Amino acid sequence: QERLVQSETEVKGPGASLDLSCKASGYTFLDYWIHWVRQAPGHGLEWIGISQPGVDKTIIAEKFQARVSMTTDTSTATAHMQLRNLRPDDTATYFCTRHAIGGNWLFDLWGRGTLVTVSS
Amino acid sequence: SYELTQPPSVSVSPGQTATITCSNDALPRRYAYWYQQKSDQAPVLVIYEDYKRPSGIPTRFSASSSGAVATLTITGAQVEDEADYYCFSTDGSGLRGVFGGGTQLIVL
Repeated sequence: QERLVQSETEVKGPGASLDLSCKASGYTFLDYWIHWVRQAPGHGLEWIGISQPGVDKTIIAEKFQARVSMTTDTSTATAHMQLRNLRPDDTATYFCTRHAIGGNWLFDLWGRGTLVTVSS
Repeated sequence: SYELTQPPSVSVSPGQTATITCSNDALPRRYAYWYQQKSDQAPVLVIYEDYKRPSGIPTRFSASSSGAVATLTITGAQVEDEADYYCFSTDGSGLRGVFGGGTQLIVL
């Protein structure tokens, strides 16, 4: 069964850094790009960026370029997203999803999301 | 910045046809995708590459794209179709993704 498994919750203070994980199973990790998407409470989906497992090629939305890094660990089939200098408006659910390398950007598998709360 | 414009909400009675639009001048050159998101759940792909329906998605879901507007149609909407719907595409460079603001579909 193909899955993307994320931790459930994270609580951080303003100014802290966040390291989110997304563990893939049931499919060949190297065959798919990993995307990160977030959703603030009561708001819409927001695309953050994309990383290619194995080569760590990343493309990040301009809004997040100064604070976001994305990496992958092929030994554990896990993608990571780091978000630095957290602010209260980073409070959101962060999803990972995938699309096939060489294919169009259809997101056919999603993690359940990590709820991140930034509060003092 | 690149934006996809959707109506905030659409309301229909059960059995009626719901139509949700997504507009941007670059859409003629980019595929549109549609996602359904129910409360406290991850999104689900309902349409890809403008009009294609993934396996398992009911046939009442269809879509098209013409000019700067992509359209999702739910023919004979059911109560269980009540959800937020998001269009998605890539920006002018084709390298970055963008979601529309989302449309709340109300079926009652």
